Amino acid sequence: DSGVTQTPKHLITATGQRVTLRCSPRSGDLSVYWYQQSLDQGLQFLIQYYNGEERAKGNILERFSAQQFPDLHSELNLSSLELGDSALYFCASSESSGGSTDTQYFGPGTRLTVL
Amino acid sequence: LAKTTQPISMDSYEGQEVNITCSHNNIATNDYITWYQQFPSQGPRFIIQGYKTKVTNEVASLFIPADRKSSTLSLPRVSLSDTAVYYCLVPIYNQGGKLIFGQGTELSVKP
Repeated sequence: DSGVTQTPKHLITATGQRVTLRCSPRSGDLSVYWYQQSLDQGLQFLIQYYNGEERAKGNILERFSAQQFPDLHSELNLSSLELGDSALYFCASSESSGGSTDTQYFGPGTRLTVL
Repeated sequence: LAKTTQPISMDSYEGQEVNITCSHNNIATNDYITWYQQFPSQGPRFIIQGYKTKVTNEVASLFIPADRKSSTLSLPRVSLSDTAVYYCLVPIYNQGGKLIFGQGTELSVKP
């Protein structure tokens, strides 16, 4: 158990809908990262927040947005969903702002299925 | 621009030692090398991290030569449960210095 929690575990929805994925980082960690992993694909970095502020942006679509709240939990909002958005979404957390020694601890993921 | 290259897949048998090598020709002077393991439908898990020479923990060893342009993850006496994807990471500075996951090496351990 990494100490990172994600809810819900599974989500099934229809095209055009909007969903919110939630992540609680490990106690004491200030950074939260979001990743997308499609079937048989690698991990695609979406976005990172550090202590409430956006720190780095990866290949995140404009239909997706995220935020980190004062209690450091984070939410990833996916809107106007398309079939291709079906994937595993992972959240990770780390102690500081990110760097080569800042180990990321991953949650169990949310499996999103768009029908 | 740091980028990693590692074999896409490897096969092994139970009880063997497995060595997965990753090349990172443009690693920056102060950067560490980190390896993660991922089982299907689970998030990656940190295995080991090192800067130079050799690092060992209860799971694996990491060998880094003096020029640091490559690193080798060594898994002693693998079992079926070591079947997973293994990622080697160094920061990618055109992505804000983030640890960007590549395709990884899919290790298949056979009985």
